[in-house]
Parts: sequence; structure tokens; C-alpha cells
Amino acid sequence: DAGITQSPRYKITETGRQVTLMCHQTWSHSYMFWYRQDLGHGLRLIYYSAAADITDKGEVPDGYVVSRSKTENFPLTLESATRSQTSVYFCASSESLGHLSYEQYFGPGTRLTVT
Amino acid sequence: KNQVEQSPQSLIILEGKNCTLQCNYTVSPFSNLRWYKQDTGRGPVSLTIMTFSENTKSNGRYTATLDADTKQSSLHITASQLSDSASYICVVRPTGGFKTIFGAGTRLFVKA
Repeated sequence: DAGITQSPRYKITETGRQVTLMCHQTWSHSYMFWYRQDLGHGLRLIYYSAAADITDKGEVPDGYVVSRSKTENFPLTLESATRSQTSVYFCASSESLGHLSYEQYFGPGTRLTVT
Repeated sequence: KNQVEQSPQSLIILEGKNCTLQCNYTVSPFSNLRWYKQDTGRGPVSLTIMTFSENTKSNGRYTATLDADTKQSSLHITASQLSDSASYICVVRPTGGFKTIFGAGTRLFVKA
């Protein structure tokens, strides 16, 4: 049972390049999330998805694009990478948000460096 | 503004010792408060969760407490082990929504 996986685990790219980070989950969870984690900050929500073809902005969506054509995949694209997007990116999934104690399960992260 | 603040930022303790990590929040009202453990190079993993009506929850050597009146939570680690070296993140879920608010975490180093 693979759970939730992310690829690549590490990526170095140049300013202005387009980059896509992949996220795949095997639980058929309805909800999926993208966060970024920077030193001194808590995880910040970039985008989330409630189901296939349903996505919405989080706290810091500028410069990012998401899609969700299949329930199990939730790719994050940086259309024109900037140095400020250097960060560690985490994907998460959740079965249901209705329960008081719903839990998000996180992937291992992708460390992205923009030079 | 809803905030979650953790202290200390980092902590070094000797193996076998106990320690307590603090979390202060301004989120109100809230549905639950969760503590995560994040090992280096890994994603966060849930340790404990408390609803607004609970005031303590244990998971092995980890015990979380919650004081809703003072808006404080703590995570107590008993008889620390080298494998406890990690970041510990406090997360609060406001009532009526699903978006959660993450603290910046406390980085714990356990030395032999």
C-alpha cells in the first residue's frame, strides 16, 4: 500500500522555467491539498481539491496552477518559477472533511530550488 | 487574525530526559487541535488530536494537554529517545471550516 507519493523528491530549476510537481494517492481520498513549508513559517495552503475537476485557492496561490482530472492525482505547476518559490512542497489527502477529527495524510515532500 | 505560535523554536535535551513543548493559539472557536511529528525529510505524521472539549490525550510517551480558557496546548515527551529528534507541529482547525492553521514548529534534538 503506497499511500501518498510525490515526485520528484528533489528538483533544481532556473528562474522562468515551468515546473510540475506530481502527487499520487492510492486511498481514493476525495480531498487533496498542496502546501509549502518555509523556514520560520507553518505549512501554508496553496491549493486544494474536493474531488476530481473541483479545485480552489488556498492562502498563497499566486504563481501556481493545479488540475485534478483523476481522483488519485493532483499535480502542481509553477508556470514561471521564481526564487521566492524555493521551498519544500507537501501534498496531502483526506477522506472526508465532515468528521470533527478528520486527518490529513502527508506525502514525503518535494524540495524545490529555483536558481 | 487566527494564529498558532509555538515555543521554543528549538530545544536540545539528553536522551532519557522529559521535555514539554508549548503551543499558543488565537483561533476561536475551533474544532480540534492536533500535534504532528515531522522527521527530517518526511511529511508530518499525526501524534494526537483533541477536540475543543477534551483536555488531555496520550499516545505512548507523548501526552498532549489543552486549556481552552487560556488557549494553550502543550506536548509532553517522557523518557526521550534519539528517535524523538524531529519537528513537532501544532495545528488548529477553526470551527465551520476545514482549512487548518499550522504553527511553525519546535525543532527537538535528542542527544546521547
